[in-house]
Amino acid sequence: DVKVTQSSRYLVKRTGEKVFLECVQDMDHENMFWYRQDPGLGLRLIYFSYDVKMKEKGDIPEGYSVSREKKERFSLILESASTNQTSMYLCASSIGGPAAYGYTFGSGTRLTVV
Amino acid sequence: KQEVTQIPAALSVPEGENLVLNCSFTDSAIYNLQWFRQDPGKGLTSLLLIQSSQREQTSGRLNASLDKSSGRSTLYIAASQPGDSATYLCAPFSASYDKVIFGPGTSLSVIP
Repeated sequence: DVKVTQSSRYLVKRTGEKVFLECVQDMDHENMFWYRQDPGLGLRLIYFSYDVKMKEKGDIPEGYSVSREKKERFSLILESASTNQTSMYLCASSIGGPAAYGYTFGSGTRLTVV
Repeated sequence: KQEVTQIPAALSVPEGENLVLNCSFTDSAIYNLQWFRQDPGKGLTSLLLIQSSQREQTSGRLNASLDKSSGRSTLYIAASQPGDSATYLCAPFSASYDKVIFGPGTSLSVIP
């Protein structure tokens, strides 16, 4: 089975800190995605990548950046964490064109910014 | 813009009932539609993926149907069990917007 691993289940960070959320997939998927999930707002796409070194903005990229130096790893960076970035963060991956095979998600990182 | 709705928003049923979860989407130009399950505080687990050319997919007690022309998909759960309690999300992949759009989910509670 494809596995998407998010390095932390729970994180507590202080306002203004630089925060790194790591996501690793083990099945050579080309496409990787970062979402945040908030009550009443559902899943919202932050950034995605269709290849190494490539990144595209999603619907809510403000306050975030990403890094994809290796195919299997996609990192989400909060440059200066703020309380409104407290959320559940979900990483997903898919093979080739996502239309064909669907998404596989990690188990999520619950981030609290205090 | 593709909009996805799921009805009902919440559902509570006694164990053993057969039930239907509904998903509607406004743009019928989709590549596929995926159903997910999410347990509290966890990530999404894929249940079924239906390609646009298919009418239905089955996995165990789960059956998902797709009527692309009317913008509808249903997830049928047979003989529900307490372990089925979770939130179920549908996610059509929009060809027009080249992205997956997630529905708000149906929160299911199966009472023993």
